Amino acid sequence: GAVVSQHPSRVICKSGTSVKIECRSLDFQATTMFWYRQFPKQSLMLMATSNEGSKATYEQGVEKDKFLINHASLTLSTLTVTSAHPEDSSFYICSATGKGYTIYFGEGSWLTVV
Amino acid sequence: GESVGLHLPTLSVQEGDNSIINCAYSNSASDYFIWYKQESGKGPQFIIDIRSNMDKRQGQRVTVLLNKTVKHLSLQIAATQPGDSAVYFCAENRGSGGGADGLTFGKGTHLIIQP
Repeated sequence: GAVVSQHPSRVICKSGTSVKIECRSLDFQATTMFWYRQFPKQSLMLMATSNEGSKATYEQGVEKDKFLINHASLTLSTLTVTSAHPEDSSFYICSATGKGYTIYFGEGSWLTVV
Repeated sequence: GESVGLHLPTLSVQEGDNSIINCAYSNSASDYFIWYKQESGKGPQFIIDIRSNMDKRQGQRVTVLLNKTVKHLSLQIAATQPGDSAVYFCAENRGSGGGADGLTFGKGTHLIIQP
């Protein structure tokens, strides 16, 4: 079946540096990809909606200059956390939607900022 | 703002018993609801979904019930097994346009299966 892959699954970066997380749809074209963030023992919160070839739409309270999203093709969206700080440490999860209601989630990426 | 919430944060049941996880939602315009299972350190795993034009849907050992009158969603798991232990989230489509609007997740219920 359809698979959404995230890379890396775990990453540790130093405070002040930037880190990129990739989200790929492996066997279907994703018209829309979503980025969620999940803190320990909490729910998933939508950060932004990414449509291929257009600017991402960010949720209220999410800094677009800090969380850069690029959706350059129908199979790849990237999230770059710029000037990362320890409070950005979290579990980042992407999902991809093809036609209709089908939504596929990736396995998530753990970010630890030290 | 609009939100999806759960009544119980933790639910403990004996192996083999049935379990029911409840969820209240507030967006009356939502046309699509999904239950996910999440194991520690992993992404959400699809369990079952239901559209707003239905009030019940059954899968393998799972049933989702939708009561639009009181905006309530439930997940029933029959004959629970140790592998069912996880956190369960309900989620609703944020808009009414299928999968293009993102999801609003509930707070989650930690289901614990006792041996």
